[in-house]
Amino acid sequence: GENVEQHPSTLSVQEGDSAVIKCTYSDSASNYFPWYKQELGKGPQLIIDIRSNVGEKKDQRIAVTLNKTAKHFSLHITETQPEDSAVYFCAASTRGQNFVFGPGTRLSVLP
Amino acid sequence: GAVVSQHPSRVICKSGTSVKIECRSLDFQATTMFWYRQFPKKSLMLMATSNEGSKATYEQGVEKDKFLINHASLTLSTLTVTSAHPEDSSFYICSARGLAGGVVSYFGPGTRLTVT
Repeated sequence: GENVEQHPSTLSVQEGDSAVIKCTYSDSASNYFPWYKQELGKGPQLIIDIRSNVGEKKDQRIAVTLNKTAKHFSLHITETQPEDSAVYFCAASTRGQNFVFGPGTRLSVLP
Repeated sequence: GAVVSQHPSRVICKSGTSVKIECRSLDFQATTMFWYRQFPKKSLMLMATSNEGSKATYEQGVEKDKFLINHASLTLSTLTVTSAHPEDSSFYICSARGLAGGVVSYFGPGTRLTVT
């Protein structure tokens, strides 16, 4: 079955700097890769996603890149702000199948 | 994005009692709903997948008689924890996926269950 790894497990950056979180997946059939942000005591919130027919997607300060050959995808957050502090989860799925989540990255943006 | 609600947000119950958690998709019809359990500082663990009008599919190791799932309509799924024990204390989160063919899932805010 699918296995998703995520690095780093914790990440601290200064406000205004960029943050990058990387995930790898094992199943070449996976074709949908969402990223979720989870704040303490709340449910995950979808922040961006990418499908396998696209190499990069950007939404304001957030971007995701996908390398299908290497089976890895990354989340990029630019101009980080304290409110970006949260746990971020990547996931992979094959159309119609369940998501497999990475273990999460705790991002701290220091003012 | 689409809105998914959960009720209650927090619940405390005594050992041996049953607790029902509701998950509703407020502005879209969800043919598939997922139930997850999350331990502190851990990732989401899928418990079961439910499709409207059919029996839920449980992940390996999840007791279907203990975690009863009902998906009676396109906007509502319920998770009932029966004969709860302290080890069932956890954060339970549902997610909902739109009409057949959709891939995007939206999560509810979660329910914190504490069994005393």
